[in-house]
Amino acid sequence: NAGVMQNPRHLVRRRGQEARLRCSPMKGHSHVYWYRQLPEEGLKFMVYLQKENIIDESGMPKERFSAEFPKEGPSILRIQQVVRGDSAAYFCASSPPSAGVRETQYFGPGTRLLVL
Amino acid sequence: GNSVTQMEGPVTLSEEAFLTINCTYTATGYPSLFWYVQYPGEGLQLLLKATKADDKGSNKGFEATYRKETTSFHLEKGSVQVSDSAVYFCALSSGYALNFGKGTSLLVTP
Repeated sequence: NAGVMQNPRHLVRRRGQEARLRCSPMKGHSHVYWYRQLPEEGLKFMVYLQKENIIDESGMPKERFSAEFPKEGPSILRIQQVVRGDSAAYFCASSPPSAGVRETQYFGPGTRLLVL
Repeated sequence: GNSVTQMEGPVTLSEEAFLTINCTYTATGYPSLFWYVQYPGEGLQLLLKATKADDKGSNKGFEATYRKETTSFHLEKGSVQVSDSAVYFCALSSGYALNFGKGTSLLVTP
């Protein structure tokens, strides 16, 4: 059973460009979470999605960031007009359909974004 | 709001030493508590968890007990190995999200 997959693993962008980060959840999982890890910091929750629905985006910056989880295909975290402060590791996690607040989240290897 | 505070590192130990990494939390309700481990360049792996007071999570020689009276979830291991060198994160469930501590870096030397 493959784990959570993320690509690319490393992404370099210049200021003003767009960054697209992809996440394929574990087989059978329909809940996806995105977290951001700044240098020397713990992970911070960004958004929680189910198929075709954003459930909780309370941790998402109000501008330039968006996320989707379409019926088919991976979840996408999109960052428009990137700035140097967006440089971080972005982790995706997934959990099964029965997930409640006590359910374990399984993490992918992360995408390390560097903005020049 | 819900939050987690864990001891700052780095922690450096000799092989076979006893490990304790402190974690305390602030929460409303009864969250689940987790320890995750992150090896260099990798994502987070679940190490252990506890879902209610007095539960003890254990895995690979690591243990942590959910203490409601002291709002703590300290991580312990009786004899660390070089391969345990990593960053350890304490977390609690908060709504749909996990709230993480800042992480404690552990270095085990031969």
